[in-house]
Amino acid sequence: QKEVEQNSGPLSVPEGAIASLNCTYSDRVSQSFFWYRQYSGKSPELIMSIYSNGDKEDGRFTAQLNKASQYVSLLIRDSQPSDSATYLCAVDPGGNDKLIFGTGTRLQVFP
Amino acid sequence: GAVVSQHPSRVICKSGTSVKIECRSLDFQATTMFWYRQFPKQSLMLMATSNEGSKATYEQGVEKDKFLINHASLTLSTLTVTSAHPEDSSFYICSASNRHNQETQYFGPGTRLLVL
Repeated sequence: QKEVEQNSGPLSVPEGAIASLNCTYSDRVSQSFFWYRQYSGKSPELIMSIYSNGDKEDGRFTAQLNKASQYVSLLIRDSQPSDSATYLCAVDPGGNDKLIFGTGTRLQVFP
Repeated sequence: GAVVSQHPSRVICKSGTSVKIECRSLDFQATTMFWYRQFPKQSLMLMATSNEGSKATYEQGVEKDKFLINHASLTLSTLTVTSAHPEDSSFYICSASNRHNQETQYFGPGTRLLVL
């Protein structure tokens, strides 16, 4: 069973702080990793993709991938109340472009 | 770029009727479209994968005769929920990927179905 695990939260951080969201996956051959943001009642919105070990930065977002530990994370710097949403980690196990989603971590940024 | 639309955004129907949901890629050609279902406070569950001009591939446990998928062109896929029942009430979301970046999926806004 290919799985993607996330802590459901909620993760509460004050405005301006760094929010750290974590995800582990079980299929060692996975090659592609994605973070999506989903506001309540809305569909997921792609934030970042990462394919290689290390860090990838895009604005206030940094994705970190460690394939040896089967671990991918998302850091949000200078968190804003508008960042409050559920963050979904998705993994492509490889070969057919299907994504396996985690259950998501709910982030709450309070003023 | 990479805009995906869905129609309708919300539908209420009586038990036993059929509902068709459209998914369109507006500014790119979608080689593959995916249909997901999401129940409240749960993650997305993939229902099926469809490629233009071929039969859809359904995930285990998804009834292909109940959830009919047609992918007639590179910009349009439809999901028809046949003989809908209250337990089919859910948030149905499509996504699409293009030939240049097949690993990345772009999601439509979703269709909220309520079966009475």
